[in-house]
Amino acid sequence: KAGVTQTPRYLIKTRGQQVTLSCSPISGHRSVSWYQQTPGQGLQFLFEYFSETQRNKGNFPGRFSGRQFSNSRSEMNVSTLELGDSALYLCASSLAGQGGQPQHFGDGTRLSIL
Amino acid sequence: QQQVKQSPQSLIVQKGGISIINCAYENTAFDYFPWYQQFPGKGPALLIAIRPDVSEKKEGRFTISFNKSAKQFSLHIMDSQPGDSATYFCAASKAGGYNKLIFGAGTRLAVHP
Repeated sequence: KAGVTQTPRYLIKTRGQQVTLSCSPISGHRSVSWYQQTPGQGLQFLFEYFSETQRNKGNFPGRFSGRQFSNSRSEMNVSTLELGDSALYLCASSLAGQGGQPQHFGDGTRLSIL
Repeated sequence: QQQVKQSPQSLIVQKGGISIINCAYENTAFDYFPWYQQFPGKGPALLIAIRPDVSEKKEGRFTISFNKSAKQFSLHIMDSQPGDSATYFCAASKAGGYNKLIFGAGTRLAVHP
């Protein structure tokens, strides 16, 4: 069974631009969560989608948004990029939309802002 | 608000030794506690997880010990190997709620041969 796939693996953008990251969950998984990983703040929850609905959102500005498609694939978008948005963005999928379910991570998209 | 505190920040263990990483949580609504292992350039990989109805869970060389009254849990890696050198994260979430994991700050483990 294929794991969680994130594309692209690396991305370089400049301040003020916007970016879209993609995540394909494990086949059959309906919940997709996004996390930001930085050396200073560690792993922080961005948002979770289940059945195309955002179920929960972390403490991030409105510039961070996402969506989920009917095939459970998800995208996240960051607009008006800032230097501080440089991070590893991780996607995790799980079978159900309940907490307490094993979540499996992809290898992330490394976003660098110049 | 840091809801999951992890220690130590870094750990050096000799091959064959026992690695112990500790975590403490504040929110008593948490009832699912996974541990993840992350290698450079890779995403976190789920190692083992525990729920508060058991005090210990073992999978191979990895054991989670859980102390509900103290709101603490720990990861023990027996017979540590150089291949175990990685960063380890504890996490917590509310079972029955949404899939929001609160992570500890991570422990960088180095196992020397």
